[in-house]
Amino acid sequence: KAGVTQTPRYLIKTRGQQVTLSCSPISGHRSVSWYQQTPGQGLQFLFEYFSETQRNKGNFPGRFSGRQFSNSRSEMNVSTLELGDSALYLCASSGGGQEGGTEAFFGQGTRLTVV
Amino acid sequence: AQKITQTQPGMFVQEKEAVTLDCTYDTSDPSYGLFWYKQPSSGEMIFLIYQGSYDQQNATEGRYSLNFQKARKSANLVISASQLGDSAMYFCAMREGKGYSTLTFGKGTMLLVSP
Repeated sequence: KAGVTQTPRYLIKTRGQQVTLSCSPISGHRSVSWYQQTPGQGLQFLFEYFSETQRNKGNFPGRFSGRQFSNSRSEMNVSTLELGDSALYLCASSGGGQEGGTEAFFGQGTRLTVV
Repeated sequence: AQKITQTQPGMFVQEKEAVTLDCTYDTSDPSYGLFWYKQPSSGEMIFLIYQGSYDQQNATEGRYSLNFQKARKSANLVISASQLGDSAMYFCAMREGKGYSTLTFGKGTMLLVSP
């Protein structure tokens, strides 16, 4: 069964632009979570979507947003990019049922560089 | 207080030796799950092992085992017979409660395996 697919793998954007990242979870998984990884802050939770609804949100400004489609694929959008948004963005796929799930599989990540 | 603490920024081990990576956690929720991930330089987060708070036995997956001491709130990862390919960052993470898939990560431990 196919793993978690994130596109694109690499992205270079200019300050002030916006960017959209995509994540296709494992077939049958309904939960997609997004994380930002930087050398200074480590891995930080952005948001989680389950069955097209945002179920949980981390402490990030409103420039960071996301959505989930009926096929469970998710996108995250960052508007008005800042240099500090340069990071590895990872998405995690899990079943997301009431028990929370005993598994969470990650994609290969999108490495965003803002110049 | 940090929810996940990994006190070893770096660890060195010789090939074929066993190594223990430390992880302590803090939660008041009786239902939680503990995860370990390996992140090589490529950036992908690779799931290694899971331990649920109600699991009676320590989890094992091949060369990986989790030394779960609930009263001490520790969940150390033991890698037996280290291989050169085990050199990577290792992250401990926790999911709290039911109905959410959000993970809280520690800062990680860099493991270097020498020949």
